[in-house]
Amino acid sequence: EPEVTQTPSHQVTQMGQEVILRCVPISNHLYFYWYRQILGQKVEFLVSFYNNEISEKSEIFDDQFSVERPDGSNFTLKIRSTKLEDSAMYFCASSEWGKSTGELFFGEGSRLTVL
Amino acid sequence: EDQVTQSPEALRLQEGESSSLNCSYTVSGLRGLFWYRQDPGKGPEFLFTLYSAGEEKEKERLKATLTKKESFLHITAPKPEDSATYLCADLDTGRRALTFGSGTRLQVQP
Repeated sequence: EPEVTQTPSHQVTQMGQEVILRCVPISNHLYFYWYRQILGQKVEFLVSFYNNEISEKSEIFDDQFSVERPDGSNFTLKIRSTKLEDSAMYFCASSEWGKSTGELFFGEGSRLTVL
Repeated sequence: EDQVTQSPEALRLQEGESSSLNCSYTVSGLRGLFWYRQDPGKGPEFLFTLYSAGEEKEKERLKATLTKKESFLHITAPKPEDSATYLCADLDTGRRALTFGSGTRLQVQP
């Protein structure tokens, strides 16, 4: 069964460092998303991406965050200068064109720990 | 502001003991109500989409229903493998962002 894959599974970084989280969405999907979940809290939307541009972003997704689809398969989330409060599980998700925009396939997540 | 509230926060059932989970939402232009299952340390797994009041969807021991301001996830004769956190999310008209509730942590004991 096709799946969304994310790397790394866990990253520990120092405050102020740049981090790139990588995702390989399902191959025929056209919509891509990043969500995050701080430990013990709700899953929160960060950004959606379609046709090589951001289609929607939340208030959390400020200038420290960026997304990119550098080639035909990868989708990345970059945090330019990490803060302690960026510590969370980051989930990549994708969905098919034509399907309900709420039917997402999520990856297993990348746990980011900022020290 | 769109809010999704789930109750109870946690539920412990004996195997075979049926129950219901509640999800209430405030969005006025509901484009869809979604149920996901999340196992510890994993990403959410899509279960159901509901679009309009009165709609029902079923999958094995799970049945999801929708009213104008609430959705219920009914679990019939649960098994230990149904233990997980069940998340509800809504989608507002014109948006792509899901708003998730805090989830109900279900534990089914053998």
